Parts: sequence; C-alpha cells; structure tokens
Amino acid sequence: EDQVTQSPEALRLQEGESSSLNCSYTVSGLRGLFWYRQDPGKGPEFLFTLYSAGEEKEKERLKATLTKKESFLHITAPKPEDSATYLCAVILEAAGNKLTFGGGTRVLVKP
Amino acid sequence: DTAVSQTPKYLVTQMGNDKSIKCEQNLGHDTMYWYKQDSKKFLKIMFSYNNKELIINETVPNRFSPKSPDKAHLNLHINSLELGDSAVYFCASSRGGGVYEQYFGPGTRLTVT
Repeated sequence: EDQVTQSPEALRLQEGESSSLNCSYTVSGLRGLFWYRQDPGKGPEFLFTLYSAGEEKEKERLKATLTKKESFLHITAPKPEDSATYLCAVILEAAGNKLTFGGGTRVLVKP
Repeated sequence: DTAVSQTPKYLVTQMGNDKSIKCEQNLGHDTMYWYKQDSKKFLKIMFSYNNKELIINETVPNRFSPKSPDKAHLNLHINSLELGDSAVYFCASSRGGGVYEQYFGPGTRLTVT
C-alpha cells in the first residue's frame, strides 16, 4: 500500500549530464509535497515544498515541479557534490498532518 | 549553531536493555517528531508532539515512549530492546503541526546485539 513511489531507485550520471527524478503518489488530496536531500550518515536536508499542480521551485541546479499525481526533481548539469539520496514526502488530507516518505532515489554523479 | 541536535550519535546495546535518545531544537518550533529509518532506508514517523502534547502516535510497540519536557525537547525511551529495534532514529521539528517543512537532526544509529 505504498502511497509514495520514487523512481528510479538509483541513478548514475556523468558530471554535466542532466536528468530527472520522479515521485508519484497514489492517494488524492495532496496538501503538500516535500523534497529532501540526504547524505550518508546525516539527516534529511529540506530542499523544496510544493503545494499545487503547476507550481515550480528552483535552487541552484535543482528544479522541482508538481502535477496532479507526481512531482519531478530535475538536476541540471549535475556536479559530484550533488551525489546524495533524494527523498520525496507528502502530506495527504486522508493522513492528517503525517509526512509520508518515498523510498528515495540514490544519485551518484561521476566526474 | 545546530538547529536540531540529538544525543547520542551512536548507541550499541544488548537485547533487553533500556535506553534513551535525546533531542533538542533551537528553532523556536512548536512541533517535534521521531522517525525511524530502517535498513532499507525508509523513513517512517513514530510520534509527533505539538507544544508538549502528543498528536501523532503511529503503530509502534509500547516499549517506545516519547517524553516532551518542554517544546524544545523531545526524548525517546525504549524499554526491553530487541534486535529489530536496530535502526537510525531521527528527530525533527517544524513550525506547527500543519503543512510545514520539517527540519531533521543528524540521527542516532542504534545497534542492538
């Protein structure tokens, strides 16, 4: 009954090779979608919040977009320091204020 | 100037023991959380407190008991530790219990032998 699914599970990129990560959710009633970055041995670091379809947020080489059933995290011209696990999480109307996480996408950017 | 801090960072203990993990936030937030991240890296919420009041209590064994002495602190006490409790436990905080971003601590890696 996974409510949040992230794909791919892992992504290997060459430095400068742009790509996108996907986060889809199966339950309706999205109140907010969050993207986090997690480095090995550390806690998740907040990146973006998206609230409604059509919304976009950008930070350096990262851009998050939201449609009615999914979100994309675009990484433009990545650098090795962008290597991390990227986590997507949602707050759904049916779940109160509980943040539900996807399994993450491990991104490795090779120089 | 750590926003959300946890102690200890590592905890190795034997089955049957009782242990506590402490969390403090200096962000002035009203809401604090405990999450468990298992070996497959899934993060799952365990508890949430809003201004010292328990507001989320997921299906967690009652060997786990959170305590919030004030809104800046949230501790997690675990009784009779089991092998399956081995995981990384994260504390987090947010402005309120609504749709706000949560800020996470560095985690406590608990190993039960």
